[in-house]
Amino acid sequence: DAGVIQSPRHEVTEMGQEVTLRCKPISGHNSLFWYRQTMMRGLELLIYFNNNVPIDDSGMPEDRFSAKMPNASFSTLKIQPSEPRDSAVYFCASTQSISPSTQHFGDGTRLSIL
Amino acid sequence: GQQLNQSPQSMFIQEGEDVSMNCTSSSIFNTWLWYKQDPGEGPVLLIALYKAGELTSNGRLTAQFGITRKDSFLNISASIPSDVGIYFCAGDGTSYGKLTFGQGTILTVHP
Repeated sequence: DAGVIQSPRHEVTEMGQEVTLRCKPISGHNSLFWYRQTMMRGLELLIYFNNNVPIDDSGMPEDRFSAKMPNASFSTLKIQPSEPRDSAVYFCASTQSISPSTQHFGDGTRLSIL
Repeated sequence: GQQLNQSPQSMFIQEGEDVSMNCTSSSIFNTWLWYKQDPGEGPVLLIALYKAGELTSNGRLTAQFGITRKDSFLNISASIPSDVGIYFCAGDGTSYGKLTFGQGTILTVHP
């Protein structure tokens, strides 16, 4: 079975550019989470969707960050404009809401903002 | 906010040795989980614990949900080289999977 699929795996771009990260959750999973991992702050939850609806976006750092889930099989995390401090590994995870804690992670997008 | 203190930060052991790591929290969690992350990959779930006092095994891995609901430990017995990686504890104090992660334990196993 395919796991959570994220693209791109690596992204290098210049400060001020728009960045779009993509995620395809596991088929049948109705909960989707976006995380950010840095050396300083570890793994942090950014936003959580249930049945394509954003439920908790309290972890989104600022207005430059936005996330959408137009359907059950696709989500995006957008940063506009990007800044060097946004450099991190961004993970998407999915699960079934009946077992919300047991999340399956993708392999992440390593983002570098120059 | 909630914080998890995971220790040790790193461990260097010989193949065949047993390993123990733990997490403590200032808050109560309903669920404790242990994940392993290999370089360039996402965390992989190892064990999930749902009840205070619960002791669960997965092969050579054993984890316990502390009675106070504020701590958990993970033991790895008879370590092998492929156990190398970063181990994270995570707690869920919500009903919808809002996980708080520990800082991670870096495990190195010498053959």
